[in-house]
Order: sequence, then structure tokens, then C-alpha cells
Amino acid sequence: QLQLQESGPGLVKPSETLDLRCSVSGGSASSTSHYWGWVRQPPGKGLEWIGSIYYTGNNYYNPSLRSRAKISLDTSENHFSLRLTSLTAADTAVYFCASIRGSFRIFDSWGQGTLVTVSS
Amino acid sequence: SFVLTQPSSESVAPGTTATITCGGINIGSKSVHWYQQRPGQAPVLVIYSDTDRPSGIPERLSGSNSGNTATLTISRVEVGDEADYYCQVWDTSANRVVFGGGTRLTVL
Repeated sequence: QLQLQESGPGLVKPSETLDLRCSVSGGSASSTSHYWGWVRQPPGKGLEWIGSIYYTGNNYYNPSLRSRAKISLDTSENHFSLRLTSLTAADTAVYFCASIRGSFRIFDSWGQGTLVTVSS
Repeated sequence: SFVLTQPSSESVAPGTTATITCGGINIGSKSVHWYQQRPGQAPVLVIYSDTDRPSGIPERLSGSNSGNTATLTISRVEVGDEADYYCQVWDTSANRVVFGGGTRLTVL
């Protein structure tokens, strides 16, 4: 059973860059059967997909965040990361990492989530 | 872009049946997945590929998908089923994941 754990700062200033890491255990980040992705949830709101990456390096992004988001994969250290630039208060959210299975993109395992607050 | 529409809330009594819908143009041609999210917790996959249940998910939860509506049905509702439920698809034409807005199920 895959286990995922997010890590990163809980507080970031406006206009700065957010870097989050998702550590993978119980499986390999170089797996050919999974994509890896990020989803966020602003307080009191629904789920928003940020983007996904495959072991080949192929990326897919939410069009609304494509210009500011970058997802990378480090198979040697078994983790993947999210970088989000030019932060505003609207980026305040719980950020989840997840493993994604199959061509229909089933989010089968999730990290516990980490709250990121954008504030000066 | 493909949009998934869910009712914002539904209320049911314990022991009855809850029906949560997810609307989208010709959603019956797509594979729909459902997630349960209890307060303060991460989402959990409860139905995938329209009708399949992951191991550990009770048979009381079932899914269907046809035409313009996918449905999550929870039979013999329990207090522990109180949660937010989200539908999700992969929009192959745009290469993007789409989530519905979520439905809050309240067990009265």
C-alpha cells in the first residue's frame, strides 16, 4: 500500500514561491503503473487539481495554474515536488499529494495534506 | 472545458438511501470516480470506473453512470457516512483532471 507524506512551509509571503515535497513509501516513484499529482483545497471549498507527472517526465497541468506551477519527480530519492510561483492569498489552501492509477486517472492514495497560508 | 455539476448538499435519515448525482455532458462516455472526505481528513476513493469498489469499501456504496448523469448511491445510511463526496473524471480531450464541486451529505 502506497503511503504519501507532504512536507513544506506552512506560511509563505505574497509574491514568493512555494516548494512542497511529497515522499513516497511502500512503492517506487519510478513506477510505470502510477502518475503522481497535486490537488489543493482552499478553506471551506472543493478540490482543485493542480497537475500530474508520469515517470517519463510527462506533465499535465490545470490550465488555470499552468503558468505558475511546476511538478518534478526525483526517482533516486523517491519523491516528487510542486513549485508554485507568484503566490497570492488565493493560493491559501490545504495541498494534497496523491498517486494516480491508470489511463482514467484514479486517485487511489492520498497524503494527509498540508496547510499553506499566504500572508505577510 | 468539461464541467461536473453536483448538488451542494443532501440530507437523509439513518437507515435510508442517499443518492448523490454528478452531471456532465455525455458523462456516460467517461469513467467516473468518487471520493469521500470527512472533516479534516484527506479524500478517500470509494468508487472507481463508475461501479467498482476498492477493497475495504462496504457494499452499501455503489455507483452508476449513464447519459448525462453519474450517481453514487449509499444504502442503509449510517452516521459515519456523513462527509463531502466528490466525483471526478479524466477529460481526455483536454488532458486534464476534473472534479465536481462536491456534495455535503448530512445524516439527520
